[in-house]
Amino acid sequence: DQQVKQNSPSLSVQEGRISILNCDYTNSMFDYFLWYKKYPAEGPTFLISISSIKDKNEDGRFTVFLNKSAKHLSLHIVPSQPGDSAVYFCAASASNSGYALNFGKGTSLLVTP
Amino acid sequence: DSGVTQTPKHLITATGQRVTLRCSPRSGDLSVYWYQQSLDQGLQFLIQYYNGEERAKGNILERFSAQQFPDLHSELNLSSLELGDSALYFCASSVGGTGGKYGYTFGSGTRLTVV
Repeated sequence: DQQVKQNSPSLSVQEGRISILNCDYTNSMFDYFLWYKKYPAEGPTFLISISSIKDKNEDGRFTVFLNKSAKHLSLHIVPSQPGDSAVYFCAASASNSGYALNFGKGTSLLVTP
Repeated sequence: DSGVTQTPKHLITATGQRVTLRCSPRSGDLSVYWYQQSLDQGLQFLIQYYNGEERAKGNILERFSAQQFPDLHSELNLSSLELGDSALYFCASSVGGTGGKYGYTFGSGTRLTVV
């Protein structure tokens, strides 16, 4: 059962515009949420995280928003750059499962010049 | 270089065989996590070790086993291999046992092809 879902397999955005990547989850016990970025032939790299006690966390061009009532989070990238083109994975963890990360299937972002 | 080393990078083997994937965590990290990424699938959590002890278990098949050694490197053993086991296998590490709070560091993976 997929507890973390990324329903958009791909997204294309123009350079300079905002990229919004979405993620939904089903497990109400999740209390940490993370985004990872993955380039081909490399492992995923950590991007940004948010705990369930917050609704927003910002780091430079990247902002993650959490809506617990809707069990939804999103990653905003502003402004988008061609180097942001990668696969983005949403992940979540819960204390009752040792904080092992549950990942979505990923969204492939293409930023065009 | 993330500091997490996985060997080999590529492995091709026949159905029914057994293979061992190796992972060396970042210096100072005590936890090791194993993930499987099949075609069209997200990263599936297999198992976590913390300082030599099994900490959490995910969707790991009985044909698969893992261990973490005193020097903290870990091995994932896959036996009676089937075509469906073809996947990318990632190892990740974190300092503590609750790496899923703040993120863990992944290696670049081992691509296993079963023919």
